[in-house]
Amino acid sequence: KAGVTQTPRYLIKTRGQQVTLSCSPISGHRSVSWYQQTPGQGLQFLFEYFSETQRNKGNFPGRFSGRQFSNSRSEMNVSTLELGDSALYLCASSGTQGIEAFFGQGTRLTVV
Amino acid sequence: AQSVSQHNHHVILSEAASLELGCNYSYGGTVNLFWYVQYPGQHLQLLLKYFSGDPLVKGIKGFEAEFIKSKFSFNLRKPSVQWSDTAEYFCAVKGPGGGADGLTFGKGTHLIIQP
Repeated sequence: KAGVTQTPRYLIKTRGQQVTLSCSPISGHRSVSWYQQTPGQGLQFLFEYFSETQRNKGNFPGRFSGRQFSNSRSEMNVSTLELGDSALYLCASSGTQGIEAFFGQGTRLTVV
Repeated sequence: AQSVSQHNHHVILSEAASLELGCNYSYGGTVNLFWYVQYPGQHLQLLLKYFSGDPLVKGIKGFEAEFIKSKFSFNLRKPSVQWSDTAEYFCAVKGPGGGADGLTFGKGTHLIIQP
């Protein structure tokens, strides 16, 4: 079956702009999590959605938000972009138990 | 908050050498433990996982890991590495504890296998 699909793969944005990233989970998976990966901080948990509800949230400012649709697809939005938001953003989906996470290829965001 | 420590940031080995990558976590309760691998240009892939039961777990590509509860450790091992094992390896923990409860990752170990 198809894996986790993230679009777009690459983005270049200007400081101050906003950006929306998309994630389509594995068919049948209802949990979607988002992570930020940077060389300095490594992989950090942003938030998790399950059945259209945010279930958990990491330690990121309110500029980072997300949502999940009824078909389990998820979007992540970052407003008022800063240079430090440049990172690889990874989406992961999980099955019924919500424990084992399967990751997508990521969206590489560059803020200039 | 949960934290995960990976002992080595860079490891260089020759083919056929044995591998052991250390991982320690901070939370003392029930946890789920994972090792992920990220090959160059590819997405994170699950190598193996521990939920409960036998503390020695086997994963894909000949990798195994041992959960030692008393040491809060989950070290990754492979008896004989191959050049194709060159990658970044991440230890991750998911456990109860309230608040943010996604996966907590270690900083990663960059493994280079020399032919």
